[in-house]
Amino acid sequence: DTAVSQTPKYLVTQMGNDKSIKCEQNLGHDTMYWYKQDSKKFLKIMFSYNNKELIINETVPNRFSPKSPDKAHLNLHINSLELGDSAVYFCASSQDLATTSGANVLTFGAGSRLTVL
Amino acid sequence: KQEVTQIPAALSVPEGENLVLNCSFTDSAIYNLQWFRQDPGKGLTSLLLIQSSQREQTSGRLNASLDKSSGRSTLYIAASQPGDSATYLCANDDYNNNDMRFGAGTRLTVKP
Repeated sequence: DTAVSQTPKYLVTQMGNDKSIKCEQNLGHDTMYWYKQDSKKFLKIMFSYNNKELIINETVPNRFSPKSPDKAHLNLHINSLELGDSAVYFCASSQDLATTSGANVLTFGAGSRLTVL
Repeated sequence: KQEVTQIPAALSVPEGENLVLNCSFTDSAIYNLQWFRQDPGKGLTSLLLIQSSQREQTSGRLNASLDKSSGRSTLYIAASQPGDSATYLCANDDYNNNDMRFGAGTRLTVKP
């Protein structure tokens, strides 16, 4: 059974469109994250949620809107897609927040490759 | 703000060699440091986690060390195999910022 699953795995779309990437974890974790991996393979955090509450919101355009209907799901919706949004987006989860645990192992999904044409 | 740097960016070695990957970070206020492996087109797999009170962790042919005072961690891979070819990333669990900060990774190629 997949622990952290993301859909779709690949997404090709035109500039200006609105798209969503879904993430689900079946590990019973309280915290979920979205990371963006750019063309240089550098991973940057975008958002984190703990028990459906937004904890981290890095400097990300407000075209990106995360939604957590429950603590097992964290979806990423992107409006008015731009060429620079092309990247691999990784969802991850951990038992709890960094501030509450010294053994905060992250489990990652396989990634969703977004290509904006 | 925490910055994580990995050197070298890429490394190519013949099979059987022992090798060391380096990771440095600017803020020693961390809970732990993790090493991950990323295979092309796939997600990240956690290899080793070293808590801030620990000095090293071992798993099979892998050994990771942590020196918080100097802001350094190393990943030692013994008797490398072609199957070890992947990108290795380090990340620390930074309690000042309540998130994980990643290095850019070291792309390892082990040639048969």
